[in-house]
Amino acid sequence: AQTIHQWPVAEIKAVGSPLSLGCTIKGKSSPNLYWYWQATGGTLQQLFYSITVGQVESVVQLNLSASRPKDDQFILSTEKLLLSHSGFYLCAWSLGWGEEQYFGPGTRLTVL
Amino acid sequence: GDSVTQTEGLVTLTEGLPVMLNCTYQTIYSNPFLFWYVQHLNESPRLLLKSFTDNKRTEHQGFHATLHKSSSSFHLQKSSAQLSDSALYYCALSMDSNYQLIWGSGTKLIIKP
Repeated sequence: AQTIHQWPVAEIKAVGSPLSLGCTIKGKSSPNLYWYWQATGGTLQQLFYSITVGQVESVVQLNLSASRPKDDQFILSTEKLLLSHSGFYLCAWSLGWGEEQYFGPGTRLTVL
Repeated sequence: GDSVTQTEGLVTLTEGLPVMLNCTYQTIYSNPFLFWYVQHLNESPRLLLKSFTDNKRTEHQGFHATLHKSSSSFHLQKSSAQLSDSALYYCALSMDSNYQLIWGSGTKLIIKP
């Protein structure tokens, strides 16, 4: 069975500090991977997606970057956090074209 | 470009009444995949329904939806709302030529006793 793990579960960070959020998928080879952001009380905003190791496509620029260093790993990061980065970050995977996406448990980020 | 429209941002209903959440889409692709996701408070979204077959009703957990390509619609329905149905509902569109899902803006459903 496939499992998706996100870390950390929650994070409180200062404005201007760096951030790294991670996501790993186990039990599925070469999945498509996605990062989403959701402001508190807001709707889903797709950030990045990756269909293969080393390749990441940006959907929305929010002063964030993403990387896929391994087939089963997707990293979201920034060197300098803004207050507007606060929210719920979700990683998701899918098998391929036209397929549904499966979400991880999410990371709740608070920037102070 | 491709898009999904959910016209209601907030729907408030009394328990026991029927639910209907609207979803229409726009795409030049003739074989879209349509999805409904549900997100309960402090949880991540999970798939509720999916369809790619025209005029075929799909059901899960008491909810149902029918993809109508003639009207580009995929409305979500339930005959009798329960308190536990309170959540955020997203309609999403995919084409098998595209790796992404196109998401609607979501409808918050609140069920009151």
